[in-house]
Amino acid sequence: EDKVVQSPLSLVVHEGDTVTLNCSYEVTNFRSLLWYKQEKKAPTFLFMLTSSGIEKKSGRLSSILDKKELFSILNITATQTGDSAVYLCAVLNNNAGNMLTFGGGTRLMVKP
Amino acid sequence: KAGVTQTPRYLIKTRGQQVTLSCSPISGHRSVSWYQQTPGQGLQFLFEYFSETQRNKGNFPGRFSGRQFSNSRSEMNVSTLELGDSALYLCASSRQYRNTEAFFGQGTRLTVV
Repeated sequence: EDKVVQSPLSLVVHEGDTVTLNCSYEVTNFRSLLWYKQEKKAPTFLFMLTSSGIEKKSGRLSSILDKKELFSILNITATQTGDSAVYLCAVLNNNAGNMLTFGGGTRLMVKP
Repeated sequence: KAGVTQTPRYLIKTRGQQVTLSCSPISGHRSVSWYQQTPGQGLQFLFEYFSETQRNKGNFPGRFSGRQFSNSRSEMNVSTLELGDSALYLCASSRQYRNTEAFFGQGTRLTVV
């Protein structure tokens, strides 16, 4: 059974801080790893990572995948209160179409 | 470009009833997946439909079922509702069957009383 573990469970920082969120996985036939941001209801797509060592970047957010050590990190620099959300990591298995296996999420709170 | 549309947004049902939820994917997307989100279990996969066929199924009882129409719109049905079915039901839309990003709708909040 595929498994995704995220750490930390929750995090409180102040505006301007840099945070690193962790995601480790066990997948029988790995295809991709995805990051989502969930504020109220709909998880919002952030990144999809398929290749090891290639950083994906979008504004203040960046992410990288290590397929040898089976983990990914999501970095947020110069955090803002609008970054407060639950960040979800999920994996795709080559044998299972678009079925996402999610981790439990990291709840980030950014204080002014 | 319209996103994933789920209806209704909120629903209150009593135990034993059945419910049908609807999802319209992003235009051009052919895969629709359903997830249940609860505080205790997190986001769990229910099933995926592609080209009107169920392609994958999660570990849920047979009371949970779904279908997909020729225009890619999908419905999921839960029969004989239980209190534990109270959850946020999310639909995700993907362009193809493999290796594409999934985009989520706003969800349907189901409360069973």
